[in-house]
Order: sequence, then C-alpha cells, then structure tokens
Amino acid sequence: GNSVTQMEGPVTLSEEAFLTINCTYTATGYPSLFWYVQYPGEGLQLLLKATKADDKGSNKGFEATYRKETTSFHLEKGSVQVSDSAVYFCALSDRGQKLVFGQGTRLTINP
Amino acid sequence: DAGVIQSPRHEVTEMGQEVTLRCKPISGHNSLFWYRQTMMRGLELLIYFNNNVPIDDSGMPEDRFSAKMPNASFSTLKIQPSEPRDSAVYFCASSFDRGEKLFFGSGTQLSVL
Repeated sequence: GNSVTQMEGPVTLSEEAFLTINCTYTATGYPSLFWYVQYPGEGLQLLLKATKADDKGSNKGFEATYRKETTSFHLEKGSVQVSDSAVYFCALSDRGQKLVFGQGTRLTINP
Repeated sequence: DAGVIQSPRHEVTEMGQEVTLRCKPISGHNSLFWYRQTMMRGLELLIYFNNNVPIDDSGMPEDRFSAKMPNASFSTLKIQPSEPRDSAVYFCASSFDRGEKLFFGSGTQLSVL
C-alpha cells in the first residue's frame, strides 16, 4: 500500500541555519506529494505541493522537489527563523484518493 | 470564509460518559475527514465522508466510536462510553477535491479522566 516515511524528530536548530527534513514514499501509482505544517495549538495547513516528477513546490522560503528516481520529497529552507518552529508532515495522495500522512517531524528553532 | 469550525475547543469528561464532538466544514467543500492525534500514534484518519456519505471508516477504533454527517454543513463524532485511552486531539478537516488540499479546524482537546 501507499506509505510515507519521514525523518525522525525532534530536530533542533539555531536561527538562520539550513534545514532539511527527509521524506520518502511508497506508492503504486504516480502520487501528488505535499508538506503540511502544524503550528502549536493549531490544525495542519498546507505548506507546499508537487504533482509530478521534477516539480518543485515552494512557499514561505521552503522548497521541496519531487524526485521519482529516489521516491523522495525532502523539505528544505536556507535560513530558518524562530517562527518556523512547528511539526512538519509529509503526505501523498494517489490519483485523488485520501491523503496518507507521515508521522510528523517536530522542529524547534532557537534564537 | 470562517474556515473549518470545531466545538468544543476543550472537553474534559469522566470515563464512561458520552462525548460528542462537532464540526462545520467550509461551505462548498464536499469531503469531510475526522482525525485523531496523539503523541504515541501520531495523526490517524478515523473516517471520511464524501457528499455526506461515509466512504472509509476503517480507522474507527471500535464500536464505541460513531460519526454522522446529516447534511453538508455539519458532522459529529461521538464516543460512547468514553475511556481514558481516548484522550487526544481530534481534528476535523474538509476539502473540495476528496483529499488533496485539506483545511483543518483547530481541533478538540479531549481529556477522559
């Protein structure tokens, strides 16, 4: 079946550091890939998406590239801020079916 | 739009009591999802509806849990009787396209003592 595996957390970085959160997937078809973010005390919200191989999703300084050859969708940001502290979820949707989420990675940015 | 609205925001109850969680999806969305989030198990999909019809309830833990969607603007998740292991944050989410871009509510923090 379809599944998503994320880098284990928690991840703690200093402000302005470079961020990478790894995500790999298993799917039978050609899924769309997503990153969702959950800020403290809130529900998840869509951060970025990519719908086909080699697409790059980007938003708020975050980027992720759909790599079919490595079945990966790693999240990156060049310079993190304290306000980026949150839980990040990688997810996939195969042919419009329900989203499958990874287990989430908690990110803490220290000033 | 006000977004997905969940109530109550917090619920504290005693073991054995009935708990009802409520959700109002975004107007025009035709899919609705109930999730449960705990530290141990992460984010779990309990059930989802499409056009008010339950499509997949395989995530519902057991018969103590039930969900309804009587119309396009309202859904409930009921736990009867509640148990301490049901303590979690319960999220409702809605979407127009059956599950790609989900809009989440702020959740209900449930504590069963």
